Amino acid sequence: KAGVTQTPRYLIKTRGQQVTLSCSPISGHRSVSWYQQTPGQGLQFLFEYFSETQRNKGNFPGRFSGRQFSNSRSEMNVSTLELGDSALYLCASRQGRNTEAFFGQGTRLTVV
Amino acid sequence: GQQVMQIPQYQHVQEGEDFTTYCNSSTTLSNIQWYKQRPGGHPVFLIQLVKSGEVKKQKRLTFQFGEAKKNSSLHITATQTTDVGTYFCAGGSGSARQLTFGSGTQLTVLP
Repeated sequence: KAGVTQTPRYLIKTRGQQVTLSCSPISGHRSVSWYQQTPGQGLQFLFEYFSETQRNKGNFPGRFSGRQFSNSRSEMNVSTLELGDSALYLCASRQGRNTEAFFGQGTRLTVV
Repeated sequence: GQQVMQIPQYQHVQEGEDFTTYCNSSTTLSNIQWYKQRPGGHPVFLIQLVKSGEVKKQKRLTFQFGEAKKNSSLHITATQTTDVGTYFCAGGSGSARQLTFGSGTQLTVLP
């Protein structure tokens, strides 16, 4: 069974640009969550999608958005990039509530 | 909203010493999960605790869930260099689907 796939793995963008990251969950998993990880900040929750609907949202500005498609694949978008958006963005899929989360390898975004 | 605090943030131990990380939630949890992230890697699920006072062991790792289901701990006996990484706890609440992660404890094991 294939794991969670995130693309691209690495990305370099310029301040002010926008970026779209993609996440393909494990087959059969309908819940997809996104996290931002920076050194010393742990895993900051961005949002969670289930059945194409955003169920929860973390404390991030409106520049961060996402969506989920009917096949459960998810994308997150960051507009008007800032230097502070440089981070590892992790996606995790779950089969259901109170089940383990399976993480992808992450997308490392560098904003210059 | 739900907050999960984890201490210590960093821990350096000599190989063979024991290690413990603690997790505290601001609210009662329905379950707690533990993850390990190796340097350069992604978090990998270790275990889930559901019952009040539950204790589970995985070889040298012992996981506990508090009686009030608001705190948890992970204890590693006789650390090895393979234990290096960041350990995260993640709390789940019954009604919300969201997992709230602690800030993690970065473990360094000195040979």
